[in-house]
Amino acid sequence: AQKVTQAQTEISVVEKEDVTLDCVYETRDTTYYLFWYKQPPSGELVFLIRRNSFDEQNEISGRYSWNFQKSTSSFNFTITASQVVDSAVYFCALSEAIYNQGGKLIFGQGTELSVKP
Amino acid sequence: DAGVIQSPRHEVTEMGQEVTLRCKPISGHDYLFWYRQTMMRGLELLIYFNNNVPIDDSGMPEDRFSAKMPNASFSTLKIQPSEPRDSAVYFCASTARNTEAFFGQGTRLTVV
Repeated sequence: AQKVTQAQTEISVVEKEDVTLDCVYETRDTTYYLFWYKQPPSGELVFLIRRNSFDEQNEISGRYSWNFQKSTSSFNFTITASQVVDSAVYFCALSEAIYNQGGKLIFGQGTELSVKP
Repeated sequence: DAGVIQSPRHEVTEMGQEVTLRCKPISGHDYLFWYRQTMMRGLELLIYFNNNVPIDDSGMPEDRFSAKMPNASFSTLKIQPSEPRDSAVYFCASTARNTEAFFGQGTRLTVV
């Protein structure tokens, strides 16, 4: 069975601190996709990144970076120099490649990040 | 493109009433998904369509829930009769074959 675990329910940091959000997944598939979504207080779900299971390269986008390690079934997300605007709930999600790559998602429970000024 | 459009944004209804949620996917996207978000269960997939055909409705909680997609630009999720435990945020999302899911703003449903 597929499963995504975000063990950190809530994280609170002070502005400019670095913070890492953990994501561990389970799947028997060899081909799959991993995602991170952001849900700000306004409620919408904002796509951040998609990685396929064959691409273990770390990715950096501005202050955001992602570390994908198949050996530990983890796809962790780091925000460098956090800002108040980063305050949101962050979801990690998994999709089987046999289906549509992007839409049939299994979500983790989410990590609520609070960045204080 | 305006993105995925859901209506209404908020709905308050009395127990036993019929509720219809609406979704307009992004033009050109051939997959449409309905998700529900609750505190207890998080984000869960209810049903999804490919080219207007329901593919997997295993997440639909009960027979009180039904979804249709009469054409490529419109889908509905209906709850009849509604119950207080149906209170949640319902999201619609659409994708093309090789894209990520684009989510609508969601409909916050409150059943009193």
